[in-house]
Amino acid sequence: QVQLVESGGGVVQPGRSLRLSCAASELIFSGYAIHWVRQAPGKGLEWVAVISYDGSNKYYVDSVKGRFTISRDNSKNTLFLQMDSLRPEDTALYYCARSLPPPSYDSGHTSYFYGMDVWGQGITVTVSS
Amino acid sequence: QSALTQPASVSGTPGQSITISCTGTSSDVGGYDLVSWYQQNSGKAPKLLIYEVTKRPSGVSHRFSGSKSGNTASLTISGLQADDEADYYCCSYAGPSNCVFGGGTRLTVL
Repeated sequence: QVQLVESGGGVVQPGRSLRLSCAASELIFSGYAIHWVRQAPGKGLEWVAVISYDGSNKYYVDSVKGRFTISRDNSKNTLFLQMDSLRPEDTALYYCARSLPPPSYDSGHTSYFYGMDVWGQGITVTVSS
Repeated sequence: QSALTQPASVSGTPGQSITISCTGTSSDVGGYDLVSWYQQNSGKAPKLLIYEVTKRPSGVSHRFSGSKSGNTASLTISGLQADDEADYYCCSYAGPSNCVFGGGTRLTVL
């Protein structure tokens, strides 16, 4: 079955840390870049981060740079998002989403942004004192 | 980076065609053919409808089509159906190495 399953969410105080996981079948994980996208309550989607298929390239939205770290364990088909120094504005439903493979001629920075074709069901993170 | 601009809401009647716009700048929508569109039903994960401005993934109805002119991308839904009622989001590469979503459009089928 083609699916991504997030876990690790919860309620955490401002300034504390949380680590999200996204487990996938090898069929949909191996060889693909993977994104984290979040959605604050009642708000729209916000791209958070992306990691290349081999973990060598990682990119972040400005608001989480220096606080969040995306990583992956390809031997376990699992993606992670380490979230440190959490803020109330990080409260959101966090989705992992698979990146469409780019055409063969694109191996640059744009290659991760052709679209997101498989999404998890999301996991809630609440940052509150 | 600022969110792309979408109308907050659009509406239509069954069978009608509607268009949702997504306006950015020459640094995002206008600069790259890397606009994608997503449908999100209430309480569900987003679903990819369109990628690379005009392409449809397999399994997505031909009633959904995408286009772009200058700094504005558009999603057109033809033959509107009741189950098209959802939130729709555009997304564009916004260089370097990041992307930005639109604020979302709520489609109501009257």
